[in-house]
This record gives sequence, C-alpha cells and structure tokens, in this order.
Amino acid sequence: DGGITQSPKYLFRKEGQNVTLSCEQNLNHDAMYWYRQDPGQGLRLIYYSQIVNDFQKGDIAEGYSVSREKKESFPLTVTSAQKNPTAFYLCASSIAGDQSPLHFGNGTRLTVT
Amino acid sequence: KQEVTQIPAALSVPEGENLVLNCSFTDSAIYNLQWFRQDPGKGLTSLLLIQSSQREQTSGRLNASLDKSSGRSTLYIAASQPGDSATYLCAVSTGANSKLTFGKGITLSVRP
Repeated sequence: DGGITQSPKYLFRKEGQNVTLSCEQNLNHDAMYWYRQDPGQGLRLIYYSQIVNDFQKGDIAEGYSVSREKKESFPLTVTSAQKNPTAFYLCASSIAGDQSPLHFGNGTRLTVT
Repeated sequence: KQEVTQIPAALSVPEGENLVLNCSFTDSAIYNLQWFRQDPGKGLTSLLLIQSSQREQTSGRLNASLDKSSGRSTLYIAASQPGDSATYLCAVSTGANSKLTFGKGITLSVRP
C-alpha cells in the first residue's frame, strides 16, 4: 500500500537536545511538507520541499532544519533553538506543481521536558 | 493575510441527522479548498478538494460546496453515523500546496 510513514509515533527528549523525526513516502510524490499542530490552533507549515535537494522555509521555520537527499525521505530536526518544541508533528506529500490533495502521515508526538 | 474560520468548534448530533459544517475565509482569491478528516491522535485524511472554478464536489455521503465571492464553503454530511465522529478541517490555497491556510477544525460527535 502506498502511503507516508512517520516514526516514531511518540518521542520524548530532554530540553537542549536535538531530535530528528523521520518521514518516508512511497507515493512517488515530488513535494513534501512538515506541519506542526498545537491544541486549539490550525496546522502551521514548518518547511516544504518541491524537489530533491531543495527546500524552503514555511511560516515557522525557526529552530528547525530539514534535508531532502532522497525523493522518498524528508527528515525534520528539531533543534535546541526551538523554544516550544512539544507538539504534534505531521508530514505530508503531494504531486508538485499541481493543486492535488495532500496526503498525511499519522504524525509524531514530541514531548520535551 | 488569509484567515480561515470554522465555527462552531464542536458539534454533537444524533445518528441519522443530516448536517452542515461551515468554513469561511477572508481572501476570495483562492486556487482551491480542501476538506480533511482527522481522527484523534492521527494524521489528516483528504475528503474533498474543490478547485476555484468549481462549485461543489461529492464523494459518497459527503458534499462540499464553494462560494468564492462570499468566502464560504460547506461540508454536508448525509445520514450521519457514529463512525463520522472526528475533527473536520478545511484549508484554502492561494497557490501551490505550500500556500495552504488551515482552519482550527470542527470536532463532530455523532451519538448512537
């Protein structure tokens, strides 16, 4: 089955540590996205990538970094510079250059204490 | 700046009722509008996508309409079932998917 896999489902880290969230897709989509979801707020775009080896900042990129070395993979690193990292992180993909539906993974819930 | 509003934040209905979920947006210059469903602790599932040139889209018991000039969309759910209980989010695009603005969602509970 084609889809997006995010791992792990739950992640716990101490303050000051960097942590990397995994996102893999086998939908052959060119575009991939990272969103953050907080209670009572809409999804906010962190980073997106339209093609391999290229990515752009979204609305709330500060304290995050990404890479896109392979079409299938778009890992997100939450750095110690991110002031409020505890959140639900969602990865998505779509056909690039087209107004096609977003496909989402099941998310990673990150808790930093 | 585009703003998307979904009111009310929560809704509870008895099983079998037909219901309408509302979504409003401030900038009518949109490319498309998407409706998603989110189950607790899960990702979003795309339900319907309406292009700016379209007025409505249908999938099974779901029908979404779009009125760009008034900045509104509705998601109609016919003969609601307990399995429809979830949070429904709308999102509008002013360009590619990187320009999607999401509403906060409506949490629907369908009582047996």
